[in-house]
Amino acid sequence: AQSVTQLGSHVSVSEGALVLLRCNYSSSVPPYLFWYVQYPNQGLQLLLKYTSAATLVKGINGFEAEFKKSETSFHLTKPSAHMSDAAEYFCAVITSGSRLTFGEGTQLTVNP
Amino acid sequence: DAGVIQSPRHEVTEMGQEVTLRCKPISGHNSLFWYRQTMMRGLELLIYFNNNVPIDDSGMPEDRFSAKMPNASFSTLKIQPSEPRDSAVYFCASSLDWGYTDTQYFGPGTRLTVL
Repeated sequence: AQSVTQLGSHVSVSEGALVLLRCNYSSSVPPYLFWYVQYPNQGLQLLLKYTSAATLVKGINGFEAEFKKSETSFHLTKPSAHMSDAAEYFCAVITSGSRLTFGEGTQLTVNP
Repeated sequence: DAGVIQSPRHEVTEMGQEVTLRCKPISGHNSLFWYRQTMMRGLELLIYFNNNVPIDDSGMPEDRFSAKMPNASFSTLKIQPSEPRDSAVYFCASSLDWGYTDTQYFGPGTRLTVL
């Protein structure tokens, strides 16, 4: 079985500070990993995805994530937070033959 | 492209009534997904279609829920009879390719409230 765990349901940062949202996965086979963002009253939007190519994946809006097999992690980072980054972020995992499984989400607050 | 279109955006109904949610996927996409999002259970996949055929409906909670995709540009999710515990945001998503690994594009969702 596969799953993802997002550490911290709420993360608060100051504008301009580093954003770090944590995601650990559990999978017995090589996974595909995704980060989605959900703005208030909107659907989910793909930020980036890992599909076993480069371990450092760059996404939209300045976000990136690094796949670390030894740590079973796929943490999302952004060097400098903007007010517009305030949203809920979902990590998701899939393996061959299985369905996409989402984490519980992390609500990011950006303080001025 | 207009993206995935869902209607209605909000639905308030009384327990026991039939509810129909509608989705128009992105033109040319071959896969369509219905999800439900609640505070308690997070985001759950209900059903997945590929080329209008249901491939995985193991997430459909019970017989009160049914989904159809009569053609490549339209899908419905029906709840009959509705219950208060069905209150949630229902999302439709589509992707270009077969399977779960391709990028899914989500609609804005339908917020359902069952009184």
